[in-house]
Amino acid sequence: DIQMTQSPSTLSAAVGDRVTITCRASQSISSWLAWYQQKPGRAPQLLIQRASSLESGVPSRFSGSGYGTEFTLTISSLQSDDVATYYCQQYSSYSTFGQGTKVGIK
Amino acid sequence: QVTLTESGPALVRPTETLTLTCTFSGFSLSTSGMRVSWIRQPPGRALEWLARIGWDDVDFYTRSLRTRLAISKDTSKNQVVLTMTNMDPVDTATYYCARGPTSGDYLFFDYWGQGTLVTVSS
Repeated sequence: DIQMTQSPSTLSAAVGDRVTITCRASQSISSWLAWYQQKPGRAPQLLIQRASSLESGVPSRFSGSGYGTEFTLTISSLQSDDVATYYCQQYSSYSTFGQGTKVGIK
Repeated sequence: QVTLTESGPALVRPTETLTLTCTFSGFSLSTSGMRVSWIRQPPGRALEWLARIGWDDVDFYTRSLRTRLAISKDTSKNQVVLTMTNMDPVDTATYYCARGPTSGDYLFFDYWGQGTLVTVSS
């Protein structure tokens, strides 16, 4: 099975900061990667699919990049509404999620 | 407007069989390309995809739980049912149903239900 490893596990940043989350796959997954945002007590929300395609309605401060085994989710200017846990998910072979990155405000 | 709602028991005893129902609206599982999956999340832990069924009745399971899972659909009721046999306390989790994208055979999810917490305990 393909393993997905996210880093860091937690991060705190100030409002307005640029935030980057990394996701690494144990083998190449081409661009078959999605990113989700999950707020406490809520279901995950799809942000990005195919590594860099922003879903309709998702703020443009979110962006994704990468190919093969290394991917990043970037929030260009962190807002208080972005406090959440972020998960990457590969769908190249079956489906596997990363362990999550909890983002907070400093 | 697409909505999905999970229902089922909140408490299950060890060794019992869990049956969960996903009732959805805003799309039809008789439409070509439509698929619905089940995903679970143990408290404080990561998400785990479990199973998927499509408009064509093709089902698909995670390898690690393949022998314990069964997924089915009732198109007339707009429902998808998941059964999981031989429940164990480690299966305690919030169980979500979610819809796959309308175009392409991809295992990501654009609409999710709110989830239902299932606790396995004697």
